[in-house]
Amino acid sequence: QSALTQPASVSGSPGQSITISCTGTGSDVGGYNYVSWYQQHPGKAPKLMIYEVYNRPSGVPDRFSGSKSGNTASLTISGLQAEDEADYYCSSYTSSTTYVFGTGTKVTVL
Amino acid sequence: EVQLVESGGGLVQPGRSLRLSCTASGFTFGDYAMSWVRQAPGKGLEWVGFIRSKTYGETTEYAASVKGRFTISRDDSKSIAYLQMNSLKTEDTAVYYCTRLAAAQFDYWGQGSLVTVSS
Repeated sequence: QSALTQPASVSGSPGQSITISCTGTGSDVGGYNYVSWYQQHPGKAPKLMIYEVYNRPSGVPDRFSGSKSGNTASLTISGLQAEDEADYYCSSYTSSTTYVFGTGTKVTVL
Repeated sequence: EVQLVESGGGLVQPGRSLRLSCTASGFTFGDYAMSWVRQAPGKGLEWVGFIRSKTYGETTEYAASVKGRFTISRDDSKSIAYLQMNSLKTEDTAVYYCTRLAAAQFDYWGQGSLVTVSS
């Protein structure tokens, strides 16, 4: 199972919106609404930000939103803030009853 | 408050074995699947495997990279999940995270346990 494809880096100024893509296949991202997104600050454990494509866990700011079209899922951060600077990973359930993570995206707030 | 605490990491020689433990609290452990995710130094997240709850037979699934070498088990009476790692390779060096698997997302994570495989 190959890792899902994400851009290596995305940057934006405070207050701007950015979007991170996550591309898989019909056997993972495209086949199920089981895409989730994780935020990881340096030296810390990942944190769940979005689940089942577009749902936010309690406590996650509504600046974070998720969507999916075909084999590509996306995470959008609106009103970018300094504390959003982190690594972001997508994950998907697969047809092999396994899970796969994305390659990871470093978000920089300019 | 949900808490997951990993233990058992350390330095081990190639070809040897190591067992990690994940002690859970703050939720009904037996109701959830549990999963392990690892992260090699400076690299991304890699899913390792998971174990379903007793309701689903405590069956397991593994990534191809560890299948046949790693085994996940659980003791619901103690709220502990285990990751038994055999025939370790240098490429298994990573921080290993224990996670709770709710539906199809990893909703809570431990702080991680570093495993270094080196001679």
